[in-house]
Amino acid sequence: GAVVSQHPSRVICKSGTSVKIECRSLDFQATTMFWYRQFPKQSLMLMATSNEGSKATYEQGVEKDKFLINHASLTLSTLTVTSAHPEDSSFYICSARDGTRNYNEQFFGPGTRLTVL
Amino acid sequence: AQSVTQLGSHVSVSEGALVLLRCNYSSSVPPYLFWYVQYPNQGLQLLLKYTTGATLVKGINGFEAEFKKSETSFHLTKPSAHMSDAAEYFCAVYSSASKIIFGSGTRLSIRP
Repeated sequence: GAVVSQHPSRVICKSGTSVKIECRSLDFQATTMFWYRQFPKQSLMLMATSNEGSKATYEQGVEKDKFLINHASLTLSTLTVTSAHPEDSSFYICSARDGTRNYNEQFFGPGTRLTVL
Repeated sequence: AQSVTQLGSHVSVSEGALVLLRCNYSSSVPPYLFWYVQYPNQGLQLLLKYTTGATLVKGINGFEAEFKKSETSFHLTKPSAHMSDAAEYFCAVYSSASKIIFGSGTRLSIRP
């Protein structure tokens, strides 16, 4: 149980286009989902926290108009990178929190590799 | 505020040798601590976690970690390294803001 999927696993796009990444909790309801960004050989940096049915909370320094997050249901959150540029190339990982567990454990998706040409 | 510090960005051990990855935490409240493993181009897999109770925590793949409050440490160990253990390892703490804060990571290499 507690599986989180991401789609696509890899995406290559041209500069200026927008890219949508999906994060799904497959066998539990995720009241909260998190989006992380990871640069090569670095740790995960939290970008934003999204709660189902409400606006996402962005970490300091993350452009909310650049990285649009939608958490429309208890099993799906999307991250849209708008007008992508080469510096947006990164590994994006989502996680979902199972609110039924005592300590609100997070489960991580497999990640999406974004390459902007 | 909570934080974690991983000592050593790269650790190299011989196959069959002891693995020791160090993690120290800072927390004003009883911490929830985690160790995750990440293989290249993959997401994070939970190795083990400490919430409450027994301070020696056993995880998957033969790893274990001991919570030592007096030393504010949560070091990860494995008695005998295997080639398949080569990966990036992250120590993490669950913060009071309901977020997971990651350490900088330690890359584990295994020498044949």
